[in-house]
Amino acid sequence: QSVLTQPPSVSGAPGQRVTISCTGSSSNIGAGYDVHWYQQLPGIAPKLLIYGNSNRPSGVPDRFSGSKSGTSASLAITGLQAEDEADYYCQSYDSSLSGWDVVFGGGTKLTVL
Amino acid sequence: EVQLVESGGGLVQPGGSLRLSCAASGFTFSSYEMNWVRQAPGKGLEWVSYISSRGSTIYYADSVKGRFTSSRDNAKNSLYLQMNSLRAEDTAVYYCASLGRYCTSTTCATDYWGQGTLVTVSS
Repeated sequence: QSVLTQPPSVSGAPGQRVTISCTGSSSNIGAGYDVHWYQQLPGIAPKLLIYGNSNRPSGVPDRFSGSKSGTSASLAITGLQAEDEADYYCQSYDSSLSGWDVVFGGGTKLTVL
Repeated sequence: EVQLVESGGGLVQPGGSLRLSCAASGFTFSSYEMNWVRQAPGKGLEWVSYISSRGSTIYYADSVKGRFTSSRDNAKNSLYLQMNSLRAEDTAVYYCASLGRYCTSTTCATDYWGQGTLVTVSS
C-alpha cells in the first residue's frame, strides 16, 4: 500500500490528453512538500519528467505538465504519442513518526490505444 | 556524459549479506546527494536510502533500517549499500541515483539513475 495513491492504469488515443492523479495526505503533499514525476519505459531505469510540482527538466517536451493543489498533484500529457506508453510515478516526502521519508506513488501504466 | 553503474547484485540466501557498489562518472560526484531506490519484480519504486554529498547525513526507509548501511567514497567516486540480514522481500532491482541538478527552494528531484543491479534473496 503506497503512501501516495495513483490510478493503476490510464489510456488514451494518439493526439489526446490524459491526466494522472497522485493523492496524498496532510503529512506529505498537503504539508507543502514538492511533487516530482518520473517516466519508466519498459525494462529501463526511471527518468525525471517533472520536478517541483510543475517544472520540466531540460529536454522534456512541453506536452508534459504538472500541477499541485491541496493534498493532490496531477501529471498531464497532451498530444499523446505511442512512445509515451510507459509507467509513471509521482514522488514526494512524508513527515512520519520515524522522521522523514521519500515516498512514491504505486505507479500508473499509460496505454496508448 | 553522466554515468552511474551499479554492481554487486546476485543471488543470496535469506539472512545473508551483499554489498552493492555504484560507480559515478561524468560529473563532480562529491557535490551531489545520492539515493538508493529499489523495484521488486513487477512492482513500483521504493526509496531505500539517502546520503548527503559529504556522507554526513543518511536516511533509511523503515523497511531496511538497522539492516542496510549506505556509505560513499568521494575520492573513488563511489556509492555503496551494505545489505545484511537479507529477506525474500528485499528481492529487487536496486538503482543508485543522483540529486541536485533540478531543485526547488526546498527539495531536489532524483535526476540521473543507473541501470540497476538485481538482488535475489532465495534459498
